[in-house]
Amino acid sequence: AQTVTQSQPEMSVQEAETVTLSCTYDTSESDYYLFWYKQPPSRQMILVIRQEAYKQQNATENRFSVNFQKAAKSFSLKISDSQLGDAAMYFCAYRGLNTGNQFYFGTGTSLTVIP
Amino acid sequence: KAGVTQTPRYLIKTRGQQVTLSCSPISGHRSVSWYQQTPGQGLQFLFEYFSETQRNKGNFPGRFSGRQFSNSRSEMNVSTLELGDSALYLCASSFGGAMEQYFGPGTRLTVT
Repeated sequence: AQTVTQSQPEMSVQEAETVTLSCTYDTSESDYYLFWYKQPPSRQMILVIRQEAYKQQNATENRFSVNFQKAAKSFSLKISDSQLGDAAMYFCAYRGLNTGNQFYFGTGTSLTVIP
Repeated sequence: KAGVTQTPRYLIKTRGQQVTLSCSPISGHRSVSWYQQTPGQGLQFLFEYFSETQRNKGNFPGRFSGRQFSNSRSEMNVSTLELGDSALYLCASSFGGAMEQYFGPGTRLTVT
C-alpha cells in the first residue's frame, strides 16, 4: 500500500515569514495526484493545493506553493507571508490512478503562527 | 454549489448501541469516502463508495458498514459501539477518478 509520511508533527512560524512543511510518499505508480489539505481548529478540512504527477511545473495558489520532486518522492508545501489564519493542521495526501483511487493521508503537521 | 453536508453534527451514544451517520455529497459527485479522525490515530480511511458500490475499504472491523444510494447520498453505520469509536467522522466527496475530495464538517460521535 502507498504510504505518506509527514515527519514534522509540529511547526511554528512568525507572522509574515515563510515556512515549509515536508511530505514524502512511497509508491510504485507513475500516475497520481498529490494534495495538501488544511484543517483549522474545529473547522472544516479544505483543499489548499493540488499537484498532478505528470506535470513538472510546481503548483502555486497565491501564497501557497509546492516543491514537487518526483524522483525523490517528495512534496513539500511552502507558505509565504504567513498569516494568523494559516494556523491549522496540514495534511499531505496521495491519490493514485491505478490503486482504486483511494486517498492516503499523512499524519499531519500542526502549524502555529506567532504574532 | 452547496458543499458536503453531514448529519447529525454531534451525537452522544452509549456503549453497545448502534449509530447511523449521513452524508450528502456535492451535486454531481459520485464518490463518497468516510474517515475516522482521532487525536491519537490521525485520519483513518474507512471506505469509499462510487455509484452505489463499495470501491475501497480500510482496515476496520465489520461493525463499521456503509452504503450509498442512487442519489449518491451515503450512510455509515456503526453497530455495538465501543468507547474507542469516539471520534470525528468525516465524509468527503469527489467527482471521480483522481480528482480532489471535498470534505464535510464532520459528525462528532461521543460514546459513553
